Amino acid sequence: GENVEQHPSTLSVQEGDSAVIKCTYSDSASNYFPWYKQELGKRPQLIIDIRSNVGEKKDQRIAVTLNKTAKHFSLHITETQPEDSAVYFCAATLYSGGGADGLTFGKGTHLIIQP
Amino acid sequence: DTAVSQTPKYLVTQMGNDKSIKCEQNLGHDTMYWYKQDSKKFLKIMFSYNNKELIINETVPNRFSPKSPDKAHLNLHINSLELGDSAVYFCASSHYRSYEQYFGPGTRLTVT
Repeated sequence: GENVEQHPSTLSVQEGDSAVIKCTYSDSASNYFPWYKQELGKRPQLIIDIRSNVGEKKDQRIAVTLNKTAKHFSLHITETQPEDSAVYFCAATLYSGGGADGLTFGKGTHLIIQP
Repeated sequence: DTAVSQTPKYLVTQMGNDKSIKCEQNLGHDTMYWYKQDSKKFLKIMFSYNNKELIINETVPNRFSPKSPDKAHLNLHINSLELGDSAVYFCASSHYRSYEQYFGPGTRLTVT
């Protein structure tokens, strides 16, 4: 089955600086890579995702890059703000259309934005 | 107008009891999931279900069983609860034409 490794487990950055979280996956067949943000006591919320036919995707201050050859993908957050503080999870799955595919998650990165 | 809802939000029970957690989605999605988040915040898929197939993570004990009365509901029934079942359980849903999965608010289960 799929295995997703995520680094670092904790990341502390100064407000206004950039943050980068990296993930690797094991199953070359995986084709969908979402990122979720989870605030304390809340549900995981989808913030951005990328499919295997795309190398990069951007949405305002967040971006995700995918390197299929190396089987790794990264989340980039620029101009970090206090409200970015949360746990971020990467995930991977093979989406086959019509099938019920669960996500395999990384172990999470606790992002701390220092004022 | 909550998209994915779960009840109860908190569940405290004793070892050996049987309990159920309910999940409902009003997004018109046809695929639903159950995830378990342990004390270390690790999220793990337990079940995936649409109207055609149930996919069970092989590591899930058979004390756990999903039950779907219709496309909008996927309940989780747990028999003979154990201390190690204490966790937060999240329901999620997606549409077969879309990749995105949306999570419910979670149910914190505490087994004493």
